Amino acid sequence: EAGVAQSPRYKIIEKRQSVAFWCNPISGHATLYWYQQILGQGPKLLIQFQNNGVVDDSQLPKDRFSAERLKGVDSTLKIQPAKLEDSAVYLCASSWQGDGHYEQFFGPGTRLTVL
Amino acid sequence: KQEVTQIPAALSVPEGENLVLNCSFTDSAIYNLQWFRQDPGKGLTSLLLIQSSQREQTSGRLNASLDKSSGRSTLYIAASQPGDSATYLCAVAGNMLTFGGGTRLMVKP
Repeated sequence: EAGVAQSPRYKIIEKRQSVAFWCNPISGHATLYWYQQILGQGPKLLIQFQNNGVVDDSQLPKDRFSAERLKGVDSTLKIQPAKLEDSAVYLCASSWQGDGHYEQFFGPGTRLTVL
Repeated sequence: KQEVTQIPAALSVPEGENLVLNCSFTDSAIYNLQWFRQDPGKGLTSLLLIQSSQREQTSGRLNASLDKSSGRSTLYIAASQPGDSATYLCAVAGNMLTFGGGTRLMVKP
């Protein structure tokens, strides 16, 4: 069974530029998550999708971050414009359903460096 | 709001030692608790998942326990090896998955 795929693996940009990350979840998983992990900290949930609808985006900085999952499969996370403090690893995860009972499986992450 | 704390933040041990990593959480209304391993620059690898109705789970040299009433979990690693060097994260599943800050483990040959 293929795992969660993410691309790119690494990205370096200058502040005020835009960047987008892509995630393909495990086939059949209805729930998709984006996390931000700052160096030395645990991951923090940014947004949770159930199929193509948003379940929780309470911790997403909506003035600069946006995410979509138009067809209920792949998802993109965008940052525009980027700030220095956005430097982090962005992790995508998926689960069969999103009610907390089901295990989340994580992708390899995208390491973003903002200069 | 759920808060998850991991102690110690960093640990260095000689090869062969048995060791215990600690995780505590403030809200006992959880579905499950997971322990993850994270190597530098990599994603998260799930090690063990304990359902809220369970007391422990074992996988090879790893044993995780859960005491929901006291809000604690421990990850026991037997006969540690240099390849065990990584950051270990615990995460508690309620309405969302809440992570601790991790324990950075170094096992010296």
